[in-house]
Amino acid sequence: GESVGLHLPTLSVQEGDNSIINCAYSNSASDYFIWYKQESGKGPQFIIDIRSNMDKRQGQRVTVLLNKTVKHLSLQIAATQPGDSAVYFCAENKPQGGKLIFGQGTELSVKP
Amino acid sequence: NAGVTQTPKFQVLKTGQSMTLQCAQDMNHEYMSWYRQDPGMGLRLIHYSVGAGITDQGEVPNGYNVSRSTTEDFPLRLLSAAPSQTSVYFCASSEIQGTEAFFGQGTRLTVV
Repeated sequence: GESVGLHLPTLSVQEGDNSIINCAYSNSASDYFIWYKQESGKGPQFIIDIRSNMDKRQGQRVTVLLNKTVKHLSLQIAATQPGDSAVYFCAENKPQGGKLIFGQGTELSVKP
Repeated sequence: NAGVTQTPKFQVLKTGQSMTLQCAQDMNHEYMSWYRQDPGMGLRLIHYSVGAGITDQGEVPNGYNVSRSTTEDFPLRLLSAAPSQTSVYFCASSEIQGTEAFFGQGTRLTVV
């Protein structure tokens, strides 16, 4: 029969506010992490990445923070815009086999 | 530069039918992979390939076969479609393991 999907965690922010999307990863040996943005009907699109030898990396309006102690990753979006509305996924690369494994995703909704 | 191209974009199959989802990339990437995405869930890895002639299983390989005869192409075969395989399928490629993956636009498959 059909599988029943879970409801995605959602984050609703006001336009112009900063957004923080969190992700817990599973494998302490993972050495590379990526944040993807997926708009409705499209494939995931790369936003920013970080390697395990770093704690922070900044891009244009986005910052990724990595806390290896608690296996936690966050994506900060500054001055959130309506065009940022999408589902955001974190992904971890497991060194054994080099598989890129995705988290469940968070739906970001930006209110004008 | 087309990136990652998936065909078809939409497909309806009857239970028990077989079909092949096509994926081609023009970036000379060694690493290619197939994911499925179900409502409210993240992307789950089906199969991946680290280079021509080499394939391996991901998280949810049952019911799917792959081959990699060339660097460019990585087709996904459903031998006997089941309703549980109704999903959106994404193909991705990256230069090597553990680097940014580029995604195709997806194939929406419905099995009735």
